[in-house]
Amino acid sequence: VQLVESGGGLVQPGGSLRLSCAASGFTFRTYSMNWVRQAPGKGLEWVAYISDSSRTIYYAASVKGRFTISRDNAKNSLYLQMNSLRDEDTAVYYCAGDPDTPMKRVFDSWGQGTLVTVSS
Amino acid sequence: DVQLTQSPSFLSASVGDRVTITCRASQVISSYLAWYQQKPAKAPKLLIFAASTLQSGVPSRFSGSGSGTEFTLTISGLQPEDFATYYCQQLNTYPPITFGQGTRLEIK
Repeated sequence: VQLVESGGGLVQPGGSLRLSCAASGFTFRTYSMNWVRQAPGKGLEWVAYISDSSRTIYYAASVKGRFTISRDNAKNSLYLQMNSLRDEDTAVYYCAGDPDTPMKRVFDSWGQGTLVTVSS
Repeated sequence: DVQLTQSPSFLSASVGDRVTITCRASQVISSYLAWYQQKPAKAPKLLIFAASTLQSGVPSRFSGSGSGTEFTLTISGLQPEDFATYYCQQLNTYPPITFGQGTRLEIK
């Protein structure tokens, strides 16, 4: 199982960035996927969720209306479009996979993370 | 929102010790409670899911228990590689999916 994030970098406040997460080694199309972030020296914060079919999408209140999660099951890829970025969005962003079954609902696979820095 | 409160936030222990970390939820969350270990500059690693099920490949010195609103992670016989930060997470009632604030386990 492998998840590899990309697309992080330095962006000015108010700017945009698109993160990608490439999946391999598991049946991506059957997994729900999530983005989780961690600000420097802080704990884990869930950001967004997308179901296996993309039918259900949820966002944390802190990013709702600014971030958009999407996926392409044909490409085994997950995305996070981040607009109107703020200083407080500075964090390492992880993608995480969830089998999302009654027997197993948990983030059992994680990428290595990509750093997003919002600063002028 | 379901708030998760871990205690203690910081724990100092020695190799070979048995330690317990508690995670209390602000409302009943069934058994959709997971524990993760995170080392500096690394992604979190799943240890326990469904409150007490050990993830494949995780050493048996890790165990989880609890139900309702109170859950515990126990490490029996601390090893040097166990010194890390531990997080609980609930996936019973969302959005939002929530994490505890973390417990930092350091070597005494």
